[in-house]
Amino acid sequence: GAVVSQHPSRVICKSGTSVKIECRSLDFQATTMFWYRQFPKKSLMLMATSNEGSKATYEQGVEKDKFLINHASLTLSTLTVTSAHPEDSSFYICSARDFSAGESETQYFGPGTRLLVL
Amino acid sequence: GENVEQHPSTLSVQEGDSAVIKCTYSDSASNYFPWYKQELGKRPQLIIDIRSNVGEKKDQRIAVTLNKTAKHFSLHITETQPEDSAVYFCAAPRGRIFGSGTRLSIRP
Repeated sequence: GAVVSQHPSRVICKSGTSVKIECRSLDFQATTMFWYRQFPKKSLMLMATSNEGSKATYEQGVEKDKFLINHASLTLSTLTVTSAHPEDSSFYICSARDFSAGESETQYFGPGTRLLVL
Repeated sequence: GENVEQHPSTLSVQEGDSAVIKCTYSDSASNYFPWYKQELGKRPQLIIDIRSNVGEKKDQRIAVTLNKTAKHFSLHITETQPEDSAVYFCAAPRGRIFGSGTRLSIRP
């Protein structure tokens, strides 16, 4: 149980285009999902906390107009990288908390999306 | 703001020996402390976690100890094996902010 998927797994796009990444909890409901980015040989950096039915909470230094987050259902959160530039190239990973687990803080991670902006 | 420091950044141990990685945090309200293992190009995998109402938790060769007074928690791996080679991350508070990572190498 507790499986999280991401789509696409890999995407290459041209500079200036927008890219949407989906994060789905497959066998549980998630009121809270998290979006991280990871550069090569670096740690995961929390970008934002996605809350179902409300606006996402962004970490300091993360542009909310650049990284649009939508959490429209209990099983789906999307991250849209708008007007992507080469410096946005990174590994984007989402995670989700199981709503039914109450106070449990356990996060289940998706497999990640590798974005390359040319 | 919230701060999580992890040491060491790299660790090389002889197969069969023990490895210890330490994490310190700043948020005294933290009550959940996970450790993750990440292999190259893959998602972080939860290997053990502890909540603030206990001081130690063990799962076979892996253990985590927590010192809430000093605000640090440590990962202990005993009888290390080649497959333990990976990057390990701690996270706090509430498992959200990741430490900088420790690259563990097991020497045959």
